[in-house]
Amino acid sequence: QLQLQESGSGLVKPSETLSLTCAVSGDSISSGGYSWSWIRQSPGKGLEWIGYIYHSGGIYYNPSLKSRVTLSVDRSKNQFSLKLSSVTAADTAVYYCARSSRISVDPWGQGTLVTVSS
Amino acid sequence: DIQLTQSPSFLSASVGDTVTITCRASQGIAGYLAWYQQKPGKAPKLLIYTALTLQSGVPSRFSGGESGTDFTLTISSLQPEDFATYYCQQLNSYPLTFGGGTKVEIK
Repeated sequence: QLQLQESGSGLVKPSETLSLTCAVSGDSISSGGYSWSWIRQSPGKGLEWIGYIYHSGGIYYNPSLKSRVTLSVDRSKNQFSLKLSSVTAADTAVYYCARSSRISVDPWGQGTLVTVSS
Repeated sequence: DIQLTQSPSFLSASVGDTVTITCRASQGIAGYLAWYQQKPGKAPKLLIYTALTLQSGVPSRFSGGESGTDFTLTISSLQPEDFATYYCQQLNSYPLTFGGGTKVEIK
C-alpha cells in the first residue's frame, strides 16, 4: 500500500526558505505513469496546487508560485522535496505531498503545518 | 486558470437524506474532474475521478454526474461518517485547481 509522509521545518521566519521532504513507501517513486505533487491548504485560499515532478525530473510549477518554488527528487531515497523561498505569513498552510496522475491525486500524505512567523 | 465554483458552500442535512453538490467549471474540462472528501485534521480522500468513476472502496451511495461544464456529487442516504467537507478538482489543464469546498453538517 502506497504511503507518503511529509517532514521538515514547522516554523519558518519571514523571508527565509521553507523546506519539506516527502518520503514514499510501498512503491518506487520511479514507477511509470505518475507524477509527485505538492499541494497546500490555508484558511484564506483553500486548496492550492503547488506543482509536480516526475521521477525523470520533468517539472511543472503553478505560475502563481513559480518564481519561488523548487522541486527535486531523490530516487535513491525514494523521496521528493519542496523548497519555497522568501516566505511570508501568506505561506502559512498545511502542506501535503501526493501522487498524481492524469485523472486524480491519490493518495495524499497526512499533511504538515508550516507556520511563517518571526 | 480554470475556475471551479462549488455550491452550496454549506449544507445542513439529516442522516438518510440525499444531497447534491454542484461544481461549475469556467470552461470545458473534458470530464477530467475529481471529487474528494476531507474530515477535520485529515488529508483529502479521493471519492470519484473522471467525473463519474467511483474510486475503489468508496461506498456506492456516492455518485458523480456531468452535464457540460456542470458536475455533481450526490450522496444518497447520508450516513454519519459522510459529514465532512467536499472538494472538486479539475485535472484537464495546468495549473490544477480546486473548488472552494462544501461543508456538509448534521441538521
